[in-house]
Amino acid sequence: AIQMTQSPSSLSASVGDRVTITCRASQGIRNDLGWYQQKPGKAPNLLIFAASSLQSGVPSRFSGSGSGTDFTLTISSLQPEDFATYYCLQDYSYPYTFGQGTKLEI
Amino acid sequence: QVQLVQSGAEVKKPGASVKVSCKASGYTVIAHYLHWVRQAPGQGLEWMGWINPNTGDTNYVQSFHGRVTMTRDTSNDTAYMELSSLRSDDTAVYYCARAKGRSTREGYFDYWGQGTLVTVSS
Repeated sequence: AIQMTQSPSSLSASVGDRVTITCRASQGIRNDLGWYQQKPGKAPNLLIFAASSLQSGVPSRFSGSGSGTDFTLTISSLQPEDFATYYCLQDYSYPYTFGQGTKLEI
Repeated sequence: QVQLVQSGAEVKKPGASVKVSCKASGYTVIAHYLHWVRQAPGQGLEWMGWINPNTGDTNYVQSFHGRVTMTRDTSNDTAYMELSSLRSDDTAVYYCARAKGRSTREGYFDYWGQGTLVTVSS
């Protein structure tokens, strides 16, 4: 199975900060990667698909980039509602695998 | 509007089985694969597999060793995930999620159910 390693595991930031979260795949996955945001007690929410495409309804301060093995999720200017846990998911090959998550805290 | 509504919380004993339902509405149900994802308490997300509601075809994570079965009932637009031989480490919230693309297995899930807590305890 492809392993997805996110870094950092947790991150403290402030409103207005620019934040970058990284996801590294154990082998090349083209651009077959999505990013999800999850708040406590809620289902995840799709932010980015195909590594860099913004899901409909998601604010433009979220962006994704990368291809092959290294991917990033960037939040250009943190808003209070962005404090949550973020996960990457590869769908290049079975089994689909999530990163371990990055908890973004104030 | 698109909705995925799951069945309620369950408490099961080790060795038992559980069947979670996911009723879809607001879209052409047979056009989108449904996936199942679980999350143990305080842990990350784990993808379990998918079902094609149109054909009934499935794909499961091999690590479940035949314990998981996904089915659907097209007459009432409901998908089911059954997990057998339950163990304590199966305690988790189980989610169904709709694949974003039509007739695609892609792992981009644009709508999710509210989650079903399954607790396995003696």
